[in-house]
Amino acid sequence: KNQVEQSPQSLIILEGKNCTLQCNYTVSPFSNLRWYKQDTGRGPVSLTIMTFSENTKSNGRYTATLDADTKQSSLHITASQLSDSASYICVVSARGGYNKLIFGAGTRLAVHP
Amino acid sequence: KAGVTQTPRYLIKTRGQQVTLSCSPISGHRSVSWYQQTPGQGLQFLFEYFSETQRNKGNFPGRFSGRQFSNSRSEMNVSTLELGDSALYLCASTPRGGGDTQYFGPGTRLTVL
Repeated sequence: KNQVEQSPQSLIILEGKNCTLQCNYTVSPFSNLRWYKQDTGRGPVSLTIMTFSENTKSNGRYTATLDADTKQSSLHITASQLSDSASYICVVSARGGYNKLIFGAGTRLAVHP
Repeated sequence: KAGVTQTPRYLIKTRGQQVTLSCSPISGHRSVSWYQQTPGQGLQFLFEYFSETQRNKGNFPGRFSGRQFSNSRSEMNVSTLELGDSALYLCASTPRGGGDTQYFGPGTRLTVL
């Protein structure tokens, strides 16, 4: 069964600190993996999208890594800001005619001053 | 370019009623997908439309239906509302669907009393 699991479920950090969010998936055949940021009451916004051959991709202070062998991805946030407080959703796309998207439950991050 | 717009933003209905939600994709995008988001279930795929045709469908009952018009605008209809239909309904557009990056709208918050 295609699944995406994220950890931790929630996280509290102090402003300025770094953090890493995890995503493990059992999706086959794999097409790509995406990280989204969702602010409360808003739609998700794409941060990165990574294909099988990509190990690392950055978007400002956000860096995503992908290990296709172990089927793990991480999202590292550097020098966190209060505006980073949001839910971060890992989404894996399965190949097969129409790429099907499997969503993780998300990690809720709170950055405190 | 204007982003994805959804109307209405908030809606309150009672059990047994029916509701229609609207989504206008980014200009030039031909694929529109609909998602239901609840605190307990996270994001769940409803269906995707491309060039006025439903291309893929999630595991929702037949009370949930949709359509797409020639200008790519899409509507989603839920009949015989149940309390469990209370959720944030998100639509996302992409140029072609599949592996393209999705751009989400702000969502419609539906409350069923």
